[in-house]
Amino acid sequence: DTAVSQTPKYLVTQMGNDKSIKCEQNLGHDTMYWYKQDSKKFLKIMFSYNNKELIINETVPNRFSPKSPDKAHLNLHINSLELGDSAVYFCASSQPLRRLGRHNEQFFGPGTRLTVL
Amino acid sequence: KQEVTQIPAALSVPEGENLVLNCSFTDSAIYNLQWFRQDPGKGLTSLLLIQSSQREQTSGRLNASLDKSSGRSTLYIAASQPGDSATYLCAVEYGNKLVFGAGTILRVKS
Repeated sequence: DTAVSQTPKYLVTQMGNDKSIKCEQNLGHDTMYWYKQDSKKFLKIMFSYNNKELIINETVPNRFSPKSPDKAHLNLHINSLELGDSAVYFCASSQPLRRLGRHNEQFFGPGTRLTVL
Repeated sequence: KQEVTQIPAALSVPEGENLVLNCSFTDSAIYNLQWFRQDPGKGLTSLLLIQSSQREQTSGRLNASLDKSSGRSTLYIAASQPGDSATYLCAVEYGNKLVFGAGTILRVKS
């Protein structure tokens, strides 16, 4: 299946731990993103990478460190987890080309629900 | 500040009704506007994307319009079905990032 995939789907951990969420896309896209959806269901961008280079960092605490080993993967590592980090994290990808009718459409993964206890 | 607002926050309609979801944005310098659907506990499914130069897009029973000058978009759903029940999210693209509204929770009663 061509898609954006994330692992794990659920992550439950204690405060202070370090955890990683992985994202892979096989759509051949150049740009990948991480979004956070909080308890009020509000989605907000965290990071954007284009061809393994960081292009957007929306004032996210430096406990969050994205890593892009290649343009098909964008992993999110979180250090010293806090209660407020509990949320659903979505990975997305897009191909920012001026293609008629499909300019920069973003495709989302299924999300990772992180619960910090 | 780039903000996206969706009205109403929730909507409950009987099956078969036509309905309109509204989205407004404060900064009209957009690249495109995208409507998504999110089912409970699931990811986002892209429904329609309207480029900044376009006025509307249609897909099946869905029609989305865009008025950039007034900062508004509407999503029209014709002949609603119970399977349309979900949260509908409007997202505006500014320079490679999407700014989302809070969503409209739609319930279509059979």
